[in-house]
Amino acid sequence: AQTVTQSQPEMSVQEAETVTLSCTYDTSESDYYLFWYKQPPSRQMILVIRQEAYKQQNATENRFSVNFQKAAKSFSLKISDSQLGDAAMYFCAYRVNTGTASKLTFGTGTRLQVTL
Amino acid sequence: NAGVTQTPKFQVLKTGQSMTLQCAQDMNHEYMSWYRQDPGMGLRLIHYSVGAGITDQGEVPNGYNVSRSTTEDFPLRLLSAAPSQTSVYFCASRSTGTLYNSPLHFGNGTRLTVT
Repeated sequence: AQTVTQSQPEMSVQEAETVTLSCTYDTSESDYYLFWYKQPPSRQMILVIRQEAYKQQNATENRFSVNFQKAAKSFSLKISDSQLGDAAMYFCAYRVNTGTASKLTFGTGTRLQVTL
Repeated sequence: NAGVTQTPKFQVLKTGQSMTLQCAQDMNHEYMSWYRQDPGMGLRLIHYSVGAGITDQGEVPNGYNVSRSTTEDFPLRLLSAAPSQTSVYFCASRSTGTLYNSPLHFGNGTRLTVT
């Protein structure tokens, strides 16, 4: 079974600084997708960024970017110019590309605090 | 733009009671799913469906039933609530066309407490 590991239960960053959240996954598949979701205190699950495994280029969405290392099975999230609104739980997730029934597997999450 | 709508937002049950968590989506998504979120365990898949009339078990299906009579609705039934089912429940859906990288769209969750 595929597993997703987030080894940092909590992280802290100062406003305007950069922080990197780690994620590793275990799979024998070659065709899959990776996602980062953000969950603020409102409990809402918000997609931050996604990456297709067949793409070598790292995905970027404004201040959010990933470092995708396929051989190392690593998918870290970098948040630049951190803002107070970035404080949230962040979940890394994986889905193999096996068609319509493929399921999303989540890591246990990293709680990010943003300080002044 | 409603997206995925879950009701209720909060619920308290006594052990042994039954209830149904409602989930509806207006995006014409074929795939729908239920997750539970517990501290330190992330989100775990309970049941999922790839279309009306088709359901399957996820990682933690025991104690829960689902049905999918329409594309829009995917209710989750707790048959006899137990304290171990205290959790936050999320319904999520996604497109299953050619966009295999389509992300899950989540409802706002239901916090369930079983006493």
